[in-house]
Amino acid sequence: GAGVSQSPSNKVTEKGKDVELRCDPISGHTALYWYRQSLGQGLEFLIYFQGNSAPDKSGLPSDRFSAERTGGSVSTLTIQRTQQEDSAVYLCASRPTGFYGYTFGSGTRLTVV
Amino acid sequence: AQSVTQLDSQVPVFEEAPVELRCNYSSSVSVYLFWYVQYPNQGLQLLLKYLSGSTLVESINGFEAEFNKSQTSFHLRKPSVHISDTAEYFCAVSGTYQGAQKLVFGQGTRLTINP
Repeated sequence: GAGVSQSPSNKVTEKGKDVELRCDPISGHTALYWYRQSLGQGLEFLIYFQGNSAPDKSGLPSDRFSAERTGGSVSTLTIQRTQQEDSAVYLCASRPTGFYGYTFGSGTRLTVV
Repeated sequence: AQSVTQLDSQVPVFEEAPVELRCNYSSSVSVYLFWYVQYPNQGLQLLLKYLSGSTLVESINGFEAEFNKSQTSFHLRKPSVHISDTAEYFCAVSGTYQGAQKLVFGQGTRLTINP
């Protein structure tokens, strides 16, 4: 596609429920990132995928968070047993190999009530 | 590890006035530097970047930033702003050695242009 696509754009969920956030990167972009943007915390790195290599999960805040990338393309970020502090905008970004700078999606605004 | 400090959380200016958004970074290794812009209800867009070479880099919409290694700064400037420049601006850094190119972002500066 023309840009990085994220869905849903907004998600309201009850505390304790699981949620899945989807990212469809630009075709051909080998690197994919998830970041979280929240008030007071700014933009935090969560996880990075590069091709078929093992993902860099060093930014995931707890074991309730996980992500996968199927076929080197679409990625899903899953948050289990959501908590109110998980409320934030989750941003996905991608880039082609050798390029410096990401292309971001518009994000998914997650609200846990 | 790297860190970024954006010294101003909010900057109000009048239309057609000049503006400078300040960014300082800390790193024990060589860095790449970036400015991203986020318009309301949108994702972040790459505005400009410094990788190597000339320390002054420019964007297509009139912004420029200068890499100052001795002062560890990468301030963003525009000589004359427009209403359409109203947005939040993020400075970011990554280490040049990092194949992953994980970006560390500042807290952002909200630029408000008043008519």
